[in-house]
Amino acid sequence: QQQVKQSPQSLIVQKGGISIINCAYENTAFDYFPWYQQFPGKGPALLIAIRPDVSEKKEGRFTISFNKSAKQFSLHIMDSQPGDSATYFCAASASGGSNYKLTFGKGTLLTVNP
Amino acid sequence: DGGITQSPKYLFRKEGQNVTLSCEQNLNHDAMYWYRQDPGQGLRLIYYSQIVNDFQKGDIAEGYSVSREKKESFPLTVTSAQKNPTAFYLCASSNREGSLNYGYTFGSGTRLTVV
Repeated sequence: QQQVKQSPQSLIVQKGGISIINCAYENTAFDYFPWYQQFPGKGPALLIAIRPDVSEKKEGRFTISFNKSAKQFSLHIMDSQPGDSATYFCAASASGGSNYKLTFGKGTLLTVNP
Repeated sequence: DGGITQSPKYLFRKEGQNVTLSCEQNLNHDAMYWYRQDPGQGLRLIYYSQIVNDFQKGDIAEGYSVSREKKESFPLTVTSAQKNPTAFYLCASSNREGSLNYGYTFGSGTRLTVV
């Protein structure tokens, strides 16, 4: 059972455009939602994260939007650049549980054309 | 600099051979994890450990084994029972306590190929 569903699987955006990646979760105990960025041949790196007590978090060109009632969250990349071309993973965890373990989406391959 | 070191970066395994992937962290993190990454499959959890001398199976543990004798080290052995071991293997670590951005720290990965 996939607990975090991510879409789209791949995305092509022109330079300067907005990239939007969506995730939906099922477990209402989830209370931590990070996004990771992975370049080819490298390990994923934490990009931005949010907790459900806020509906939006912005760091530079990256924004997480969170909708608790719909159990959905999304990553928006404003003014997308070719250097943003990477695979992006959403994830979720329940920090109050007996173990701290992230559940990942399947990833979105973003290509930003110059 | 604190971080996670995975070695080797590339590893070739012959049929029927066991191989061990190394993962060392100097972040003083309690928990460590092993993931397998295949194209289109995302990150699938193999094993994880929250404390020394204890570890738990993840979603795809069959054909793999781990040990956690030291806080800093969490080696993964890919045994001959793993029939399709060719993949990119990622090690990660985390603290159980912390601020909003405590997340996972990943290593740079080991690419294992069966020859």
